[in-house]
Amino acid sequence: AQSVTQLGSHVSVSEGALVLLRCNYSSSVPPYLFWYVQYPNQGLQLLLKYTSAATLVKGINGFEAEFKKSETSFHLTKPSAHMSDAAEYFCAVNMDTGRRALTFGSGTRLQVQP
Amino acid sequence: DTEVTQTPKHLVMGMTNKKSLKCEQHMGHRAMYWYKQKAKKPPELMFVYSYEKLSINESVPSRFSPECPNSSLLNLHLHALQPEDSALYLCASSPPTGYTEAFFGQGTRLTVV
Repeated sequence: AQSVTQLGSHVSVSEGALVLLRCNYSSSVPPYLFWYVQYPNQGLQLLLKYTSAATLVKGINGFEAEFKKSETSFHLTKPSAHMSDAAEYFCAVNMDTGRRALTFGSGTRLQVQP
Repeated sequence: DTEVTQTPKHLVMGMTNKKSLKCEQHMGHRAMYWYKQKAKKPPELMFVYSYEKLSINESVPSRFSPECPNSSLLNLHLHALQPEDSALYLCASSPPTGYTEAFFGQGTRLTVV
């Protein structure tokens, strides 16, 4: 079954530092990949999505992700962290298998230190 | 309108109560979902409706009963729940074709006492 693995349940960065959140997928065919953000007691908000149109995907709030087939990765980055970026981030996958529902990674909590 | 609206935002119910969670979207999406999210865990799929028909039931206990009365509404009827059912219940919707993103509501925080 297709899945995604997020490395690191907690990531802490200083304000202004680079943010790197890791996501690897397991799939024999290119999947559809997504990054969502969840603030405390909130729903999930889509940051960006990969649907094979371009390997470098730009999203909201200055985030971007690069699809690397050779590494089966879809890591999320942001050049400069802001305090408001502190949240839970989920990588998710959807595949062309007839099961049209997202499967989520375990999540990474991002802390931003002043 | 790109919103998925869930009501209520918070719900406390006893183990013998019957309650319902409601979800509404007006984006013309024909796929709607219920997810359950426990603290510090990712959302877990419960049910999928496609064109108002139940297409996926992830072996959810029968004390959870979904209903899709029309293309804009999704309900989750709750009966005889257990304390371990306390969680954030998320509704989502997505377009009917392709494998696109899902749009999520703000969730209902359910506490079973």
